[in-house]
Parts: sequence; C-alpha cells; structure tokens
Amino acid sequence: QVQLQESGPGLVKPSQTLSLTCTVSGGSIISGDSYWTWIRQTPGKGLEWIGYIFYNGNTYYNPSLKSRVTMSVDTSKNQFSLNLSSVTAADTAVYYCARDLSTLHSSGYYVNWFGPWGQGALVTVSS
Amino acid sequence: DIQLTQSPSSLSASVGDRVTITCRASQSIRTFLNWYQQMPGKAPKVMISDASTLQSGVPSRFSGSGSGTDFTLTISGLQPEDFATYYCQQTYTTPRTFGQGTTVEIK
Repeated sequence: QVQLQESGPGLVKPSQTLSLTCTVSGGSIISGDSYWTWIRQTPGKGLEWIGYIFYNGNTYYNPSLKSRVTMSVDTSKNQFSLNLSSVTAADTAVYYCARDLSTLHSSGYYVNWFGPWGQGALVTVSS
Repeated sequence: DIQLTQSPSSLSASVGDRVTITCRASQSIRTFLNWYQQMPGKAPKVMISDASTLQSGVPSRFSGSGSGTDFTLTISGLQPEDFATYYCQQTYTTPRTFGQGTTVEIK
C-alpha cells in the first residue's frame, strides 16, 4: 500500500526558504488518479491546504500562498517537494504531504479525498 | 474560498453516547464533503467521503449525511477509540478547505 514520508529541516530562519520533500513508497507517483498535495496545520489556523502537483508537473497553489510557493516532482525518485519562500513565524506549522485521490463514482462524477498522509514534519521558523 | 463552519467546536460525551457534529458550507458543495478523524500527534485519517460513503475499515457506527450546504457526522455508540478531533473538508473546488475541527472529549 502507498505510504508517504516527509523529510527536511525542522528549523528555518525568518526570510529564508522552507524546503520539504515527500517520498512515496508502495506505489508509483506516476498515477493518473493522484494529486500530490501539501497541507499544513497550526493551532491558530487549523488545517490549511497549500496546493498540489500532478506527476506531469502541473500545479495548483492556494492563492493565499501562491506568491511564495513552488512545488516540484521527481518521478525518478518517486518524490515531490515543497519550497516556501520568505518565511515568517506565521509559517511555523506541522507540514503534511498527502495524496489527493480521485475516484470515479458510480453516478459518473469524480470523488476526491486525502489519503494516505505522511506522518507530518514540524517546521519552526525562528532565528 | 468556500468556508466550512463546524459545530460544536468541542463536546464532552460518554462511551455509548450518540454524537452528532455538523458542518455548514458557505455555498452549495453538492456532496463533495469528506470527514477526517485526527488523533493527537497523528495525521488525519479519512472516515467518510462524498458526504456519506464509509471508507474501507471504518466502523459502521460512523455515518455521514447531507448535501448542498448542511452536513452531519454521527457516531452511534461512542467507543473509547473515538475520542479525537474531527474535521470536515470540501473537494467541490480549489482551494480545498477544512472546517475548524470538533474535539470529542471524554465526559
């Protein structure tokens, strides 16, 4: 079964770039039914969807973060990555990678949900 | 963005109780609504998709209903392992959004 695992620095200085990688195991990242997704969680704002990347490199970012977010995919390594630039303390959060799985409902429309998720990576922004 | 408002924010209940959590969307999302359970220190886990479809392996005491703007998650016969935080999430459009969460605590 598919599993995801985040990796990257746990501490980032203000104004620098946060970089995380998600490694997919147990299945291929080249999948037409999967949107590889980043989500973060803070006590104050709850769960916030950052965006997703498709295996061919197509992306969609949350407009609230779009100016600072870049996602990429490395199909040879079965990995996808997140870069968040110009970070501040407000970007301190647990960052999750997840699969946004799209399945065809019997009624002819597509149903999506997040699963599986990585275990989460706490990233603290502090000098 | 579509706003999802959950109520209550927290509730206290006893083992065996029937618990209902509601989620209201700021506009119609048809049935593009999922429910997740999050245990402390763990990632959320999908319980219900498409408003009412129970995910594989999820106990039948969990059920979901609703369409349009009003949705409900019901736990019939609360078990000790059900004490957690529950989130609704819409997939009607991007950006995907979540409710603020409902924490179910032991009374």
